[in-house]
Amino acid sequence: ILNVEQSPQSLHVQEGDSTNFTCSFPSSNFYALHWYRWETAKSPEALFVMTLNGDEKKKGRISATLNTKEGYSYLYIKGSQPEDSATYLCAPTETSGSRLTFGEGTQLTVNP
Amino acid sequence: NAGVTQTPKFRVLKTGQSMTLLCAQDMNHEYMYWYRQDPGMGLRLIHYSVGEGTTAKGEVPDGYNVSRLKKQNFLLGLESAAPSQTSVYFCASNDRKGETQYFGPGTRLLVL
Repeated sequence: ILNVEQSPQSLHVQEGDSTNFTCSFPSSNFYALHWYRWETAKSPEALFVMTLNGDEKKKGRISATLNTKEGYSYLYIKGSQPEDSATYLCAPTETSGSRLTFGEGTQLTVNP
Repeated sequence: NAGVTQTPKFRVLKTGQSMTLLCAQDMNHEYMYWYRQDPGMGLRLIHYSVGEGTTAKGEVPDGYNVSRLKKQNFLLGLESAAPSQTSVYFCASNDRKGETQYFGPGTRLLVL
């Protein structure tokens, strides 16, 4: 079982603020890193899958970077909106298998 | 395309009863997964399957059995339910190792 840490656990920001979260994971045997967005009472939805060191992905106001050598990824949200309120999960997978190991997530609340 | 579906949506069991949760996907995916979600614990992998007729244990397999007799279906069984199995159960699938997993809507199980 991989040790996956996400910080902070929760975050409250005002509408329009930009914010970022961190995901730390073991750098050995790295295969891919997933980010998911999980709204209350719904199921997780994929944001990004990242595989290469230095990778940067963007979807609208959300972007993510990946450092596989040191074992971390950042997720950024620019100009947060109330609809961005959700729990953001990261999940690395190793080369040996098909399993994701999910972190506990960062719960984001954007106040209007 | 219905994607990933789960039945039932909600169930109440008494301690010692048995039940089967059904996950079905219409995307012809090879890999399927069962997770449980508990407060403060994130998503934890119970069992998974890398193809029809195969199953493997995840992080928390005790008290559960699974079967993958057909490629599109992945069944999760509880032979003798315990209150500790009260949780929300999510099924997911994907086509290849490391790729995005698509989640079902979840099954809420309460064991009294």
